[in-house]
Amino acid sequence: DAKTTQPNSMESNEEEPVHLPCNHSTISGTDYIHWYRQLPSQGPEYVIHGLTSNVNNRMASLAIAEDRKSSTLILHRATLRDAAVYYCILWEGKTSGSRLTFGEGTQLTVNP
Amino acid sequence: DTGVSQNPRHKITKRGQNVTFRCDPISEHNRLYWYRQTLGQGPEFLTYFQNEAQLEKSRLLSDRFSAERPKGSFSTLEIQRTEQGDSAMYLCASRLNRGPYNEQFFGPGTRLTVL
Repeated sequence: DAKTTQPNSMESNEEEPVHLPCNHSTISGTDYIHWYRQLPSQGPEYVIHGLTSNVNNRMASLAIAEDRKSSTLILHRATLRDAAVYYCILWEGKTSGSRLTFGEGTQLTVNP
Repeated sequence: DTGVSQNPRHKITKRGQNVTFRCDPISEHNRLYWYRQTLGQGPEFLTYFQNEAQLEKSRLLSDRFSAERPKGSFSTLEIQRTEQGDSAMYLCASRLNRGPYNEQFFGPGTRLTVL
């Protein structure tokens, strides 16, 4: 599986935007970029995914660099409930099977 | 509640005992996954099922671990002769195998403590 690199931790203030970076320089052309997050004492939850184009959903936006070697998860207005570990995961599907390979993720702290 | 459920939520056992965990996936989901998570680390894949067939097992799944999904619905994960190193959160997830993306729905996990 291609590797991703994320900062160990980030801080934000409530109601401000948060940009969570992810580097994936060895990404292949068929790898989908997925983001999951894990709130305290809960299982991970899917946030968003993308392949080449930027993506928006009700939870967040995903900005993908033109060369696809990096991406950024954007939370437009952080709330205290967004404090979680955020995982950036590459998934190809056909050759990597169905598993998700999690790294250590980024611990996001949201200050009131 | 139509999410993934896991039982028990917590299990404390003595080294050498056997333990069994249960996962009830979202009802229409044909794929079911087991992961293990230790403190400060991301979840690690253990195994997954498509319906009742176990299609992939991680090298992490030693001979002491066995998983079943007998009727393609709920699944059990059994650990025989538990060791202290088995202490972890065991997470179950399910998804409907559809579309070129991997949205898995996770349960709350079973926290195992081996004394």
